[in-house]
Parts: sequence; structure tokens; C-alpha cells
Amino acid sequence: DAKTTQPTSMDCAEGRAANLPCNHSTISGNEYVYWYRQIHSQGPQYIIHGLKNNETNEMASLIITEDRKSSTLILPHATLRDTAVYYCIVRVPNQAGTALIFGKGTTLSVSS
Amino acid sequence: EAGVAQSPRYKIIEKRQSVAFWCNPISGHATLYWYQQILGQGPKLLIQFQNNGVVDDSQLPKDRFSAERLKGVDSTLKIQPAKLEDSAVYLCASSSRQIANTGELFFGEGSRLTVL
Repeated sequence: DAKTTQPTSMDCAEGRAANLPCNHSTISGNEYVYWYRQIHSQGPQYIIHGLKNNETNEMASLIITEDRKSSTLILPHATLRDTAVYYCIVRVPNQAGTALIFGKGTTLSVSS
Repeated sequence: EAGVAQSPRYKIIEKRQSVAFWCNPISGHATLYWYQQILGQGPKLLIQFQNNGVVDDSQLPKDRFSAERLKGVDSTLKIQPAKLEDSAVYLCASSSRQIANTGELFFGEGSRLTVL
């Protein structure tokens, strides 16, 4: 079972920041937080991951609370193409390639 | 770099028939996964291969599903006989040994199965 809790859906205006929350209150010390998204009729796509420090890449920023029990994915300037289902996943990476356990995710709708 | 290739993209069969899906991972990726995604749900892991060996198949319904990865490259997922509840998108993903720790899996576009 997924170890995370996310809102079912969220709306965002085009050009505004989209802030997607995720609760992972039972996260253990060696588990990372990962975010993937799935655009309609496509396979999931990796966005970003982190352990305890905030992370930023060309797609998004990840803010993890100090107690690591929750995190927020930030899309700084949402576009219509960011409309997708966003999955927050916690996992322990290993050399064999630990599989991802997906929940239902958050459906983000970006409108003009 | 070519992505994960899957075929066929769409398949419609009658219940009790059989079907096979094919996956060609990204070149050099040692780990290959098959996921099942039912409409409105997140992907569910069916089986994970490391090269040509099975790492995890605990969620694979072995009475009707089978998968193989001969020579540690391409993989085939078979369903026989199919049931109505097997209607889903079957996603293949791969990762390399080097990126396994980053959690980055690369997914194909999936094969959509409809069982009538």
C-alpha cells in the first residue's frame, strides 16, 4: 500500500504557481520522497526526488518539512501542459532498483 | 536516446482468450518492470526483473499471467485466459543500475487492453 496521502484533485490558473501537498507521516529515516506525473495516455514521468533538503531542477521544486512528515511539490509557473496526475511516493532506493508503489495521486487541472 | 518501446498500443479480446505484450527497454537498462494500471487508479507493480532474473513477482496473478525476459533485454507479458477485470493499461518501465538509486524509472506509453 502507498505510504502517502494526497488530495484527490487541485486546480491552478495558468502562469500561477501550483503547490501540490503530500503527507508521509510514517516515512522512515532512509526513505526518499519522489514525485512522478502522468499526462493523459502516457506513462508516468519522473519529476524530482529528495531526502531532507529542498531540491530544485528545471521542472519543479521540492520542499520537505524539517520533520520529513510532509512535502510540497511546486511548479513555479504552471502551463496547460502541466495538467496531469501527480504521484508522491516514498521509497528506499537500492542497487537492484526498488520498484515504485503508486497511490492514486493528485489530478492537477491547469486552466487559462 | 530511444525510450521504452511497447507493443501493441491497443488490444481488444474476448474473455478467455490470450494476449501477449512486448517491451523493449532503454538500451543498457538492467532492471525492467511491468505495471498494471486500471482506469482511475495508480499503476500497480506486477513483476520486476534484474537482467533475466525475477526480483519480485509477488503481485503477479500466476494462474493466468506470465512474464519472461530472455537474454535480459526484451520482455513479454502474457495473459491466458483473460478475464474482464484484466482490462487495463499495461506499462513497462526500465532503469539502469547506475540510476537505480535516483529512483528514476523510464516508462513506455503502455498497452491498453480491453476484455469483452
